[in-house]
Amino acid sequence: IAGITQAPTSQILAAGRRMTLRCTQDMRHNAMYWYRQDLGLGLRLIHYSNTAGTTGKGEVPDGYSVSRANTDDFPLTLASAVPSQTSVYFCASSDRQGSVDEQFFGPGTRLTVL
Amino acid sequence: GQNIDQPTEMTATEGAIVQINCTYQTSGFNGLFWYQQHAGEAPTFLSYNVLDGLEEKGRFSSFLSRSKGYSYLLLKELQMKDSASYLCAPMDSNYQLIWGAGTKLIIKP
Repeated sequence: IAGITQAPTSQILAAGRRMTLRCTQDMRHNAMYWYRQDLGLGLRLIHYSNTAGTTGKGEVPDGYSVSRANTDDFPLTLASAVPSQTSVYFCASSDRQGSVDEQFFGPGTRLTVL
Repeated sequence: GQNIDQPTEMTATEGAIVQINCTYQTSGFNGLFWYQQHAGEAPTFLSYNVLDGLEEKGRFSSFLSRSKGYSYLLLKELQMKDSASYLCAPMDSNYQLIWGAGTKLIIKP
């Protein structure tokens, strides 16, 4: 693995179903983030984790949950999907150590909820 | 509240220069990032400004004025591959990025 990976690449899901989006990074970054991106809107932060074992709520956390059991993995779970959760989901990570705390993004998961 | 304002779309000609402006209001400030995002792809880091002034990196430069809540991204010698969306993202007092909707840049031959 090089960088940050997400799975699945895309998914069509029936409303009411549970879904977990996976995110793994091999850069040993402290912080990880989940965003959703919708047409005409900026990236919106769903949840974040500043370090393994801690998580925090972003701008749009309702309907989503996360866990950070270790440094590398940061899964996002939709407990009961609704059509408004149709979006492109990006996972990102950052070092939080250097002078420039740039975020590195995974390739994204395109989710459609019907 | 927190707010980012940048043009929705701009058009420029191959070989020319274009300036993409961004104004922002955030709760605290810890620098401003510019990202590039090609259609269907993830954002990638372009530049970071934390002090006032111009940062130059090859064909791309970024400027910041903290007192005016203003930044711009300057792209020189435009190439067709520069057709993408450009995202302005200041970092607030909680070290979270606040993302603008992005400026879609269309390059014409």
